Amino acid sequence: QKEVEQNSGPLSVPEGAIASLNCTYSDRGSQSFFWYRQYSGKSPELIMSIYSNGDKEDGRFTAQLNKASQYVSLLIRDSQPSDSATYLCAVGTLYNFNKFYFGSGTKLNVKP
Amino acid sequence: ETGVTQTPRHLVMGMTNKKSLKCEQHLGHNAMYWYKQSAKKPLELMFVYNFKEQTENNSVPSRFSPECPNSSHLFLHLHTLQPEDSALYLCASSQDSAGDTQYFGPGTRLTVL
Repeated sequence: QKEVEQNSGPLSVPEGAIASLNCTYSDRGSQSFFWYRQYSGKSPELIMSIYSNGDKEDGRFTAQLNKASQYVSLLIRDSQPSDSATYLCAVGTLYNFNKFYFGSGTKLNVKP
Repeated sequence: ETGVTQTPRHLVMGMTNKKSLKCEQHLGHNAMYWYKQSAKKPLELMFVYNFKEQTENNSVPSRFSPECPNSSHLFLHLHTLQPEDSALYLCASSQDSAGDTQYFGPGTRLTVL
């Protein structure tokens, strides 16, 4: 079983729609959760971090965490073509550097 | 310069060569990381240094040798690599604890012939 699982996609949404990206993780002791965006040929850039159950909003982005279900998601409202990228979910603990894992990523295509 | 920088950006080497990748962070962070990113695979954590001390070595072959002379600089020394080592090598840094956000450099695209 992979530590972090994501649907590889591609996920295609029309411009202006809501894109929903999902991630599940296997280590119930995980404490830190991150969403990164990676454009083709570029390095990952942080979109959002979340540490507590519930929703966290930042502009058009909302991260949702449910530790009981070991599930974290990212919603992108009013999707733009510039949002087309691969979205990486990363999960870790607060004290063990070794327990930090990335998912394989979900490719998002936003069609004009 | 700001953020995390890496040099070179592209590197082509033969299997008998010795080369080094360099990473520098200008964020005042205390933890630095090396990752390997291969096509269709998740980012693989290779090495972690916290306050210049190596904390993790995730079963990385000895042909990869890290060096962290201070909290701002990280090197990855390469020797007798294999073609399957061709990948994007990413450096990252974070404040200090394992739960802190990691900020990535632009990466070095390595091709081993």
